Amino acid sequence: EIVMTQSPAILSVSPGERATLSCRASQSVSSNLAWYHQRPGQAPRLLIYDASTRATGIPARFSGSGSGTEFTLTISSLQSEDFAVYYCQQYNNWPPLTFGGGTKVEIK
Amino acid sequence: EVQLLESGGGLVQPGGSLRLSCAASGFTFTTYAMSWVRQAPGKGLEWVSVISGGGSNTYYADSVKGRFTISRDTSKNTLYLQMNSLRAEDTAVYYCAKAIKGTVTKNFFDYWGQGTLVTVSS
Repeated sequence: EIVMTQSPAILSVSPGERATLSCRASQSVSSNLAWYHQRPGQAPRLLIYDASTRATGIPARFSGSGSGTEFTLTISSLQSEDFAVYYCQQYNNWPPLTFGGGTKVEIK
Repeated sequence: EVQLLESGGGLVQPGGSLRLSCAASGFTFTTYAMSWVRQAPGKGLEWVSVISGGGSNTYYADSVKGRFTISRDTSKNTLYLQMNSLRAEDTAVYYCAKAIKGTVTKNFFDYWGQGTLVTVSS
């Protein structure tokens, strides 16, 4: 099973600032990595797939990078609706499909 | 518009059973694999099970293998999760999620339902 580790667990950022979230895989997942965010009380929403491709309707301020075992999600200028929990998910080797533990982006 | 509507959650005693349903609309149901993902209160996401678009391939997380069964009814565009021998640690919101292709490998989820809460407690 591939273990996904996200850091930091909590990221405090002011609106308008840049946020950088990290995700590390215990073994290579190539570029088979997705990012989701989840607002309180809501279902997860797909943001990025194939490590760097934005999903339909996702604003350009969200960008993903990386391959192999190291990945980054960058939000260039945080908006109020971006304060949420972010999860990475590998889909290179599954089952089992595995998620990271999440990074909570909170208002500073 | 893709819509996924879960139902069937509720309070059940340890050792009991429950069947969750996920009514799908807005896409060709048989074309896409479907999955169940759960989230314990205050915790992260945990994948539970997946079924291929045609229904012939199914996989389970080790934590539910032998107790849960995933299935789909193409005539009703509905995904199911039969949960038996429930334990306290199965308490979670259960989401159904639509995969981006019909096979189960190298897949991720582009649409999620709003979830249904399952509470296992005496």
